[in-house]
Amino acid sequence: QQQVKQSPQSLIVQKGGISIINCAYENTAFDYFPWYQQFPGKGPALLIAIRPDVSEKKEGRFTISFNKSAKQFSLHIMDSQPGDSATYFCAARSGTQGGSEKLVFGKGTKLTVNP
Amino acid sequence: GAVVSQHPSRVICKSGTSVKIECRSLDFQATTMFWYRQFPKQSLMLMATSNEGSKATYEQGVEKDKFLINHASLTLSTLTVTSAHPEDSSFYICSAGLGTLVGEKLFFGSGTQLSVL
Repeated sequence: QQQVKQSPQSLIVQKGGISIINCAYENTAFDYFPWYQQFPGKGPALLIAIRPDVSEKKEGRFTISFNKSAKQFSLHIMDSQPGDSATYFCAARSGTQGGSEKLVFGKGTKLTVNP
Repeated sequence: GAVVSQHPSRVICKSGTSVKIECRSLDFQATTMFWYRQFPKQSLMLMATSNEGSKATYEQGVEKDKFLINHASLTLSTLTVTSAHPEDSSFYICSAGLGTLVGEKLFFGSGTQLSVL
């Protein structure tokens, strides 16, 4: 129940195309869903995040779509660029306020954007 | 955005020695920091939650005597891998949260690649 299932494991997209990464969860207590971008040898960086009371959030070329009833959320990268090539992790926060919160991460998607 | 500094970025040590990794929040105070372990091409595995002024909370299966965590101030947490062995070789990453809700706006250090010979 604490898992976040992420797919695909790897994705190859042409420059200018749309990259779509999907995540699914079971725990309805999750209340915060961030996406992270990680380059090799670096720590993850927060990309965009959403709460379950919102169905979509857009920041520049990055959009999160959230389907609460299906317990799924996805990251869309519009006009994908070679510089977007990285590993992307979805995550979900569990626990309650008071210090017990923690993030559960998906297994990651390695995105390659070909020029 | 907020900056989390992690040092060293890479360390090579002999089996049996101890290694200390530092995690600092440079421009904000973090009452809670997290330590993760990441194997090549794998996801981040939470090892422990570090709370300032109190004992760390370890995840199931993580040996607290091997991975010593100290959170002495609001800007510094340390992870010490004691008596390191080759199987401890991994990428260790710390993170600190900005905001009242833990996990929200979580900023990560750049990681430490530990290689135990």
